[in-house]
This record gives sequence, structure tokens and C-alpha cells, in this order.
Amino acid sequence: EVQLVESGGGLVQPGGSLRLSCAVSGFTFNSYWMHWVRQAPGKGLVWLSRIDYDGSSATYADSVKGRFTISRDDAKNTLYLQMNSLRAEDTAVYFCARGSGWGLVGWGQGTLVTVSS
Amino acid sequence: TVVTQEPSFSVSPGGTVTLTCGWSSGSVSTNYYPSWYQQTPGQAPRTLIYNTNTRSSGVPDRFSGSILGHKAALTITGAQIDDESDYYCMLYVGSGSWVFGGGTKLTVL
Repeated sequence: EVQLVESGGGLVQPGGSLRLSCAVSGFTFNSYWMHWVRQAPGKGLVWLSRIDYDGSSATYADSVKGRFTISRDDAKNTLYLQMNSLRAEDTAVYFCARGSGWGLVGWGQGTLVTVSS
Repeated sequence: TVVTQEPSFSVSPGGTVTLTCGWSSGSVSTNYYPSWYQQTPGQAPRTLIYNTNTRSSGVPDRFSGSILGHKAALTITGAQIDDESDYYCMLYVGSGSWVFGGGTKLTVL
């Protein structure tokens, strides 16, 4: 069974940092692109970032470029999102998702990040 | 540049509904690899369709994806009460970037 489990969310002050993790199981991790998506309270889904099979290539939405860094550890079957210079508008539930073709197939349950003083 | 979806839609149980997904910069084609996701409040999204018309594992065949005119489309035939959800489309817009639409709230009544 494909499973993705996010962790690392919590309350952080503006300007602070947080690292999210996404532990995966049930599929060959290093065969798939992986993505991060977020959803602010009461709002829609927003694509944030993608990393390719071996971590050699990553892309970002303009809203997080330069502040967020996606990475992966294929030995640990874990995806990461390092978030720096956090702002109130980064408050959201963050989902990791497995890429398939050019879509997303397989989602975690999400982890809540709250940026507030 | 924005991905456009109907904010809301209503369908009767057993009816057919087509939700659309447009691109403010022009027509949506298969080159945008449209995908569709269903989400109920408080839950993670569920993938319905990817690569325009490929149904995700376990998704019933009453959900189908296509290109209709200059938009991507998700058609639900034989709508059920459980289909009442938010539906999001996502497009690959090139250069390693994807964009979600604002979502359509589907009511089944």
C-alpha cells in the first residue's frame, strides 16, 4: 500500500524556519518525482515544488523560490521541505505527493504550519 | 496567468455534470497534461484523473477526463451524493511548473 506521512509542522514565528518531512512506503521512492503542495485555511490547493528522481533537479513556485528548498534522501525514503524566512501567508496545510506522468498520484494526510507571533 | 474553474456547480443525483479547466493565456491541450483532484473538507486530495484522461487506481469509470474545445474537462456521469466535494484541476505550464485552478464546489441535490 502506498503511504506518505508528513511531519514537522507546527507554530513558528515570522522570519523563522521549519523543515517538513514526508516518509514514504509501498513504492520504489527513487523511481518517482515528488512534489509539495499547500492549502491555506479555507483556500485552494497551491503547487509549491517538485524534485526529480535523484534530486538533481528541482523547481519552485515563484511564491516560495529562494525561501524554500526541496530535497530527498532515497536511502531513508524521505522527502523534505526546508522553509526559511517564513511569513504569515505561509500558514497552511502542507501535503507531499507522488508524481505520476505529469500529475500527482498518492498524497499524504498533510501537516499544518502556522506562522504567527 | 491563471487556471480558471467554475466556482460552483450543481447536479442532481444520477445526473451528468462537466466541470472545465481553462488557461488564461490560451487553449488547454494535452500538452498541459491536465489532472483532476477531489477533496472533501478536512481531508487530503484524492487523485481522479491525470495526463488528461488516465483514471487513477480505484477511481470509478463514471469519472472521465477530456479536452473539450479549448479547455480540459472532468465529466461525472451518474452523480452520487458522495460526489459532493471540491474539485481541482492542475495544469503543467512548462519549465517544471504546475498551477492549480481555484477549485469548483460541486453540490449534489
